[in-house]
Amino acid sequence: DTGVSQDPRHKITKRGQNVTFRCDPISEHNRLYWYRQTLGQGPEFLTYFQNEAQLEKSRLLSDRFSAERPKGSFSTLEIQRTEQGDSAMYLCASTSSRGAGNTIYFGEGSWLTVV
Amino acid sequence: GENVEQHPSTLSVQEGDSAVIKCTYSDSASNYFPWYKQELGKRPQLIIDIRSNVGEKKDQRIAVTLNKTAKHFSLHITETQPEDSAVYFCAASRGNQGGKLIFGQGTELSVKP
Repeated sequence: DTGVSQDPRHKITKRGQNVTFRCDPISEHNRLYWYRQTLGQGPEFLTYFQNEAQLEKSRLLSDRFSAERPKGSFSTLEIQRTEQGDSAMYLCASTSSRGAGNTIYFGEGSWLTVV
Repeated sequence: GENVEQHPSTLSVQEGDSAVIKCTYSDSASNYFPWYKQELGKRPQLIIDIRSNVGEKKDQRIAVTLNKTAKHFSLHITETQPEDSAVYFCAASRGNQGGKLIFGQGTELSVKP
């Protein structure tokens, strides 16, 4: 499968625990995005990287959230001290900034349930 | 701030009828407008997109129109089929400045056989 892959697909955690999600973008894509989606809503932008640089973070992203893309390939999204309100699907997406394309492709998402 | 409004939130049509979903956007610098289809528990999948230098684009039963002056764009699905049933999201972005997508709230389309 050469699409965007995310791991784990499902995570149940107790409130207060830390969780980490991983995203592997399409190999030639230099831009990587993280979105959050709750039931009945559209995906909500969290942050994006161009290569290894984190270029924008949403104001909605609290200090408990941190994302990295150390080598400009895969990315991780960590949530510290999880709260019930963090329960959502976390979507990763990627695209290339080169050429005229810019189509953004999404992964299958990582479902987080905080109990 | 950047905002995309989408209507209706739910739409029910008979098989074979047409469906239209409308979106308006607030950021006048937006120049890229994709539409995604999302089935329950699945990833959003791009079905069609349009850029600001084009007023209309068609791909088989799907078409999108863009009115930059009014800042709105619409998705048209003709000859609907039960497998078109899903949630549809419009989005807008400044394609050449990071490209982050701002999504509408979604439209749940139900096509009744």
